[in-house]
Order: sequence, then structure tokens, then C-alpha cells
Amino acid sequence: ETGVTQSPTHLIKTRGQQVTLRCSSQSGHNTVSWYQQALGQGPQFIFQYYREEENGRGNFPPRFSGLQFPNYSSELNVNALELDDSALYLCASSLDRRETQYFGPGTRLLVL
Amino acid sequence: TQLLEQSPQFLSIQEGENLTVYCNSSSVFSSLQWYRQEPGEGPVLLVTVVTGGEVKKLKRLTFQFGDARKDSSLHITAAQPGDTGLYLCAARTSGNTPLVFGKGTRLSVIA
Repeated sequence: ETGVTQSPTHLIKTRGQQVTLRCSSQSGHNTVSWYQQALGQGPQFIFQYYREEENGRGNFPPRFSGLQFPNYSSELNVNALELDDSALYLCASSLDRRETQYFGPGTRLLVL
Repeated sequence: TQLLEQSPQFLSIQEGENLTVYCNSSSVFSSLQWYRQEPGEGPVLLVTVVTGGEVKKLKRLTFQFGDARKDSSLHITAAQPGDTGLYLCAARTSGNTPLVFGKGTRLSVIA
């Protein structure tokens, strides 16, 4: 059974650019949650997707958007990048909305 | 305002020592989880507690959920270098609410 995978592992962008991060959920999981983990902080909830629909959103501006595909993989898009967007972006998949979440290794984004 | 306060922030101990880390809040939680995160990896779930006063053991790790379901502790007996990592607590206020994380306790166990 394949675990949660994320791509790319590392990324460097400049202010104002746009970025797309990808997540493949664990087999059989229909829910994907995205988190931002800044240096020295715990993960902060961005949003969750359940069966291709957004199912809850944290305190992040609209320039953070997402998608979930029919195979339940997911994308996180961030527009107009700011320096403070530099962080580790984690996705987690679960069998259903309230079930245990399994995290991927994350994508480390650096905005210069 | 941080919903979950973890203490201490940093802890450096010798191999073989015992330690306890804490996760506190003024909110009541339906469930609380402990994760360990190592550099370059995502958090790995260690345990979920749901009942006030619940105690769970995982080898040398003992987890306790407070009677009022507002706080939790993690006790490690005879720490080993392999226990080194960032210990995160996370909780939900109800079944359908997002998982909220604390800032974590960074543990270093020196051989």
C-alpha cells in the first residue's frame, strides 16, 4: 500500500509568482487536508477536500485555493506569493472526514 | 491566541532519563492526538485519546488525557536517541472541526 506522496519536495519562488503543489492520497482515502507549517510552528489548517468538494477552510486568504480530482489526489495553488508564505506545506489523507489523517513528507517552499 | 499551549518548547536530556511534556488549553476537546515529526518528514500519529482521564501506553511512552478533556501529557521512560524529534499535540473541539495543532516540544536525547 502506497502512503501519501507530495511533489515537489522543495521549491524556490520569488514574490508575486504563483505555485502549485501536488498530493497523492493513500489508496482508498477520499479526504485530503492541507496544512502550512512555518519554521518553529505547528501545522496550521488551510482547507480540506472531501469527494472533490471543499469541506472546511482555515484562516487563509483567497489566494490559497485547491482542487481535488476524481482519483482523490489534490492540488494546492498559491497566487501572488509573499515572503511569509515560505513554509513546509503538508497534505494529509484520511478514509473519511473524521478519520485518522496520514501525513505526507511535505513540500518545502521558499519565497525570495 | 494559541489554542493549544505546549511546554516546554525545547528539551535536551541524556539517554536513560525520564521526561514529561505537556499540552494545555482552556477549551474542551472531543479528541486529542500526539504526533512525532522528524526533520524532512510529515508528522506521524502516535496515539488518539477521547475519554477524560484516559491513559494509553505505547512501549516506553505513556499518554494521559485530562479528566476535563482540556489537557494532556506525554511521559517517556528511559529516553533513547531514537526518541529525538518534534512532539506535537493536536485536537478537535468536535468531530467535524479541523485539527488544531500546538507549536510542539522539540526533544533532543543525547547518547
